[in-house]
Amino acid sequence: LAKTTQPISMDSYEGQEVNITCSHNNIATNDYITWYQQFPSQGPRFIIQGYKTKVTNEVASLFIPADRKSSTLSLPRVSLSDTAVYYCLPYGSSNTGKLIFGQGTTLQVKP
Amino acid sequence: DAGVIQSPRHEVTEMGQEVTLRCKPISGHDYLFWYRQTMMRGLELLIYFNNNVPIDDSGMPEDRFSAKMPNASFSTLKIQPSEPRDSAVYFCASSLTSTGDYGYTFGSGTRLTVV
Repeated sequence: LAKTTQPISMDSYEGQEVNITCSHNNIATNDYITWYQQFPSQGPRFIIQGYKTKVTNEVASLFIPADRKSSTLSLPRVSLSDTAVYYCLPYGSSNTGKLIFGQGTTLQVKP
Repeated sequence: DAGVIQSPRHEVTEMGQEVTLRCKPISGHDYLFWYRQTMMRGLELLIYFNNNVPIDDSGMPEDRFSAKMPNASFSTLKIQPSEPRDSAVYFCASSLTSTGDYGYTFGSGTRLTVV
């Protein structure tokens, strides 16, 4: 099972771009990287997933370098409503289909 | 689709009582997962089902916990007898695939308080 490391917490201000980096040095060849967002008193919500290079959707961008040992979630122009916990999770053959959540990164967006 | 529906949203019970949490997954999703979240332990996977069959229950804390999925549209997580340390938020999630290729969809959770 690929172990992930991400910062416990981050602070930002409204309007700034936020980049959250996750380290997954021993990610399996067939594993994808997925990111979830969790607001207080809600269940986690799928944001984005990728295998290599860059993926972008209406919520965020995900950058995965060629060695795939890390990934960076980029949130453009954050607002107060982006305050949440963000989880990086590898999934695929290494975890037999079970999403295992780590501690995540608590992002606090300030006015 | 209304998403994954869990009931009740909040449950307060006395130690020793039986507690039943309910979940309705998204129609067409073949996989159903039960998670528990606490401040100390974070999000823990308890058990997951594929096509109504329990596949992995290695995360179930002890015999007091049991989960069933009698059909594709309903699952229950039962705690009997309940203890104060079972206090947590319990989430149900469903997915098209076990690898979450299209993401897992979580319910809003049931906040359980055992006094």
